[in-house]
Amino acid sequence: DVQMTQSPSSLSASVGDTVTITCRASEDIRNYLSWFQHKPGKVPRSLMYGASALQIGVSSRFTGAGSGTHFTLTISRLQPEDFATYYCQQFATYPLTFGPGTKVD
Amino acid sequence: QGQLVQSGAEVKKPGASVKVSCKASGFTFSSFGVHWVRQAPGQGLEWMGRLIPAGGGTGAGTTKYSRKFQGRVSITRDTSATTAYMELIGLTSEDTAVYYCARGRLWVRDLYYFDSWGQGTLVTVSS
Repeated sequence: DVQMTQSPSSLSASVGDTVTITCRASEDIRNYLSWFQHKPGKVPRSLMYGASALQIGVSSRFTGAGSGTHFTLTISRLQPEDFATYYCQQFATYPLTFGPGTKVD
Repeated sequence: QGQLVQSGAEVKKPGASVKVSCKASGFTFSSFGVHWVRQAPGQGLEWMGRLIPAGGGTGAGTTKYSRKFQGRVSITRDTSATTAYMELIGLTSEDTAVYYCARGRLWVRDLYYFDSWGQGTLVTVSS
């Protein structure tokens, strides 16, 4: 199975900050990577697919980059609604696997 | 984007089975795949399996399951392709979790990425 890791596991930020989350895959997954946002008690939200393509309705303050084994998610000008846990997920091979999450608070 | 509406919370005894439904609105599962993911209390997201649409090219109509759940999980859809189901048998307390369905869009071959999600169904397994 492809192992996904994320760093940091949590970070503290303020409204207006720019934050970057790193996701690494244990093997080459090309750009077959998605990012999700999840708030407690809420439905997970798909942010990005193909490493850098925004899902419909997602703010351009979210930027994804990377390919192969190293990926990043950058959130610019952090807004109150951005405080959540973020997960990366590879969809290159089965079983699909998620990273452990990065909590932004 | 299409909406997914899941069935309500369930309480089951150990050894029982549960079947969670996921109803599509604005689209059908004849054109989109469906994934099932769960989140146990205090844990991250865990992929369980997926079903490819009948007209989905490579692997059309097939399912793929995580080895962790192989033999215990079954993902199906109704004949109208408007509702998908996930059935999990042999429940234990470790299966207590929120179960989500998610719509899959074709990326390449038999690989489908997630776009929209259902609201989640809490399944509690307790004696």
